[in-house]
Amino acid sequence: NAGVTQTPKFQVLKTGQSMTLQCAQDMNHEYMSWYRQDPGMGLRLIHYSVGAGITDQGEVPNGYNVSRSTTEDFPLRLLSAAPSQTSVYFCASSYSAYQETQYFGPGTRLLVL
Amino acid sequence: AQKITQTQPGMFVQEKEAVTLDCTYDTSDQSYGLFWYKQPSSGEMIFLIYQGSYDEQNATEGRYSLNFQKARKSANLVISASQLGDSAMYFCAMREPSSGSARQLTFGSGTQLTVLP
Repeated sequence: NAGVTQTPKFQVLKTGQSMTLQCAQDMNHEYMSWYRQDPGMGLRLIHYSVGAGITDQGEVPNGYNVSRSTTEDFPLRLLSAAPSQTSVYFCASSYSAYQETQYFGPGTRLLVL
Repeated sequence: AQKITQTQPGMFVQEKEAVTLDCTYDTSDQSYGLFWYKQPSSGEMIFLIYQGSYDEQNATEGRYSLNFQKARKSANLVISASQLGDSAMYFCAMREPSSGSARQLTFGSGTQLTVLP
């Protein structure tokens, strides 16, 4: 098992550009989510999905879109990048609501100039 | 109001000594889960330990134990016999069913632990 994979590991964007952060898991997990981590703060939930075709907003969804066409993949799209979106982005997954842990990907460092 | 509060931005501990990282939480749910994650300088999030709100025993995983005091709403992480490799950021997190995001995690701001040789 590769676990949770994220690409790219690092990305530099200019303000206004769009891009997609990829996340994939090979554990047949039902739940997937995206978090962002900013200095001095814990992780904050952006969007999450409870299964293929079902997504919902988290704490800080503005400026981001998600879709879940397959169980394995959960891409995060930045529609028009802003400097405030400079952050480290983590994707996570878990098998069910009652599994005690989420498995995290290695993170994507995004710098928006 | 903060759901998860970690009041120690930074902690130092001597190698081989025990250290306690504080975490208090706020929830009105009866059923919830508490987690601790470790984030080393390399950046990945590593799950350490889990405590369910109905678990009567404190959770333990090797050198990690969770001091769960439900009435005080605290879930402190205890690391015994600290090692240099324990130097990292530690996050406390909670999963509560009534949150709008259902089964997702709410994180504290973290505690940076430095183990001194």
